[in-house]
Amino acid sequence: GESVGLHLPTLSVQEGDNSIINCAYSNSASDYFIWYKQESGKGPQFIIDIRSNMDKRQGQRVTVLLNKTVKHLSLQIAATQPGDSAVYFCAENLNTGGFKTIFGAGTRLFVKA
Amino acid sequence: DTEVTQTPKHLVMGMTNKKSLKCEQHMGHRAMYWYKQKAKKPPELMFVYSYEKLSINESVPSRFSPECPNSSLLNLHLHALQPEDSALYLCASSRQEVDTDTQYFGPGTRLTVL
Repeated sequence: GESVGLHLPTLSVQEGDNSIINCAYSNSASDYFIWYKQESGKGPQFIIDIRSNMDKRQGQRVTVLLNKTVKHLSLQIAATQPGDSAVYFCAENLNTGGFKTIFGAGTRLFVKA
Repeated sequence: DTEVTQTPKHLVMGMTNKKSLKCEQHMGHRAMYWYKQKAKKPPELMFVYSYEKLSINESVPSRFSPECPNSSLLNLHLHALQPEDSALYLCASSRQEVDTDTQYFGPGTRLTVL
């Protein structure tokens, strides 16, 4: 999602439903992508990653999909729980000699009990 | 132990003060990072250290001065900051400066410049 002014895009889901968070990345040369979860008062926490030679990767309750044609990533969370409430960032690692991590704008996920 | 610690948790400083932020990890990681995060925004990379040498400086103003005294420690020295420098400063580490190595983040230092 794209940030609009000072407001993060927000997704509100019912506990037990599936969540889908979308992200557009910027650089077609990026080779590696990561989803991070950031809870209030904490630093970002790694959730799942995917390399550019894959289009899908599954973890525990999470799946990442990569569409390189349209430079789009999505994070699917199955059976969303209240503990999943957080801000979710996609990130791309860009090789510039060293490499640097560029974060997307972020999406806030609210889970209603 | 997959913990990155940062001190202090909160810091308030005037524009003429000199202060330092500290980051520590004991995972044997050889790459360490400083990020700046403004409210409701994503983290932005500031510096990368690899094997205690500065690898990337994202055109950060010289009032921010990083230092990596050993493989476990990363400091950020602050001098003559501006109010717009108020933000959450995050430290991270990874095994090496390789794109597929997971970065582990600390909880951050919330900095307020008056």
